[in-house]
Amino acid sequence: AQKVTQAQTEISVVEKEDVTLDCVYETRDTTYYLFWYKQPPSGELVFLIRRNSFDEQNEISGRYSWNFQKSTSSFNFTITASQVVDSAVYFCALSALMDSNYQLIWGAGTKLIIKP
Amino acid sequence: GAVVSQHPSWVICKSGTSVKIECRSLDFQATTMFWYRQFPKKSLMLMATSNEGSKATYEQGVEKDKFLINHASLTLSTLTVTSAHPEDSSFYICSARDPLQGRGEQYFGPGTRLTVT
Repeated sequence: AQKVTQAQTEISVVEKEDVTLDCVYETRDTTYYLFWYKQPPSGELVFLIRRNSFDEQNEISGRYSWNFQKSTSSFNFTITASQVVDSAVYFCALSALMDSNYQLIWGAGTKLIIKP
Repeated sequence: GAVVSQHPSWVICKSGTSVKIECRSLDFQATTMFWYRQFPKKSLMLMATSNEGSKATYEQGVEKDKFLINHASLTLSTLTVTSAHPEDSSFYICSARDPLQGRGEQYFGPGTRLTVT
């Protein structure tokens, strides 16, 4: 099966707290990509990161960091010292070969609310 | 970086009319484009995949006669919602693949919010 699970529907924290968004995936592919996108209220998807299945190194970009663990099929996203502008819906996605095309399999999304 | 535009960004139309949404890749040639629909507070739902010069492949449950997709060139795909009804109101997002980039990479347009009255 090709599936992405974001079990957290909504998370609410106070500004400056750290927050981790969980993503668990299932795939039959040996080579695949994982993605995180941010969708602010405007609706436009903002690309955050792409991770190749062969690269298990953790990634840090400013206040954002990602923990990729193939052993647990997880690709979690942490925001350090959260800010109100981080409020958005965050989607985790998996690229999968479906009907001869690489498609994105989407998680349900996690709505993140950062309170001032 | 790769840029995908969508036009219009929002549209209001009357029930029974047709609406066309354009999706353009501005700085790359997109052999494959995707159309998604997103309901409020829900994830993206793939409607169809279109490859340039061939018929679109629709996902199960998507009416191909209602949602007409044309991918006539390597930089343009259009989605036409025919005989629109209020239940077609939604946020429609297109994306495009650059064949020169990594497998699975898609570049997204800003979306079109359709309201049918």
